[in-house]
Amino acid sequence: QQQVKQSPQSLIVQKGGISIINCAYENTAFDYFPWYQQFPGKGPALLIAIRPDVSEKKEGRFTISFNKSAKQFSLHIMDSQPGDSATYFCAAEGADGLTFGKGTHLIIQP
Amino acid sequence: DTAVSQTPKYLVTQMGNDKSIKCEQNLGHDTMYWYKQDSKKFLKIMFSYNNKELIINETVPNRFSPKSPDKAHLNLHINSLELGDSAVYFCASSPGTGYTFGSGTRLTVV
Repeated sequence: QQQVKQSPQSLIVQKGGISIINCAYENTAFDYFPWYQQFPGKGPALLIAIRPDVSEKKEGRFTISFNKSAKQFSLHIMDSQPGDSATYFCAAEGADGLTFGKGTHLIIQP
Repeated sequence: DTAVSQTPKYLVTQMGNDKSIKCEQNLGHDTMYWYKQDSKKFLKIMFSYNNKELIINETVPNRFSPKSPDKAHLNLHINSLELGDSAVYFCASSPGTGYTFGSGTRLTVV
């Protein structure tokens, strides 16, 4: 049973555009929702995170939108740059640790 | 100063062999983890360990065993390696929320 569903699986965005990745979760006991960025040959790195008592969090060009009633959250990357090309994972944390979505391979075309 | 370091970065071995992957963190975190990333980039937790309690994902074969000589180290020992064990293995640590990952060990079983 997949507890965190992520879409799309891959995404191509033009430079300067907005990249949007969506996630949905099932377990209401999750209390922390991070996004990780992974470059080839590297480990996942924490990008931005949110707790369920907040509906939005913004850090630079990255914004998380959180809808607790719908059990959904999304990552928006504004003014997407070629250097943002990577695999992005949403995750949800509970008592058993982090559960990851299956990842989104993002390509920003120059 | 690498926060979470894993060795080796690459490991090629034959079926049936026993191998170990080492992990060290210098962040003073209480909890350490092992994750497996398959060829489709899906990240799945294998173990979490916080010096007192070892939590094992029930889907992990008992050929895999974590060993922690002290709070800063969590090594992964694998017995009787199989072709299906080929993957990238990530160590991570956490103070409670927010994980820091190592750069991974790519294990190839031939």
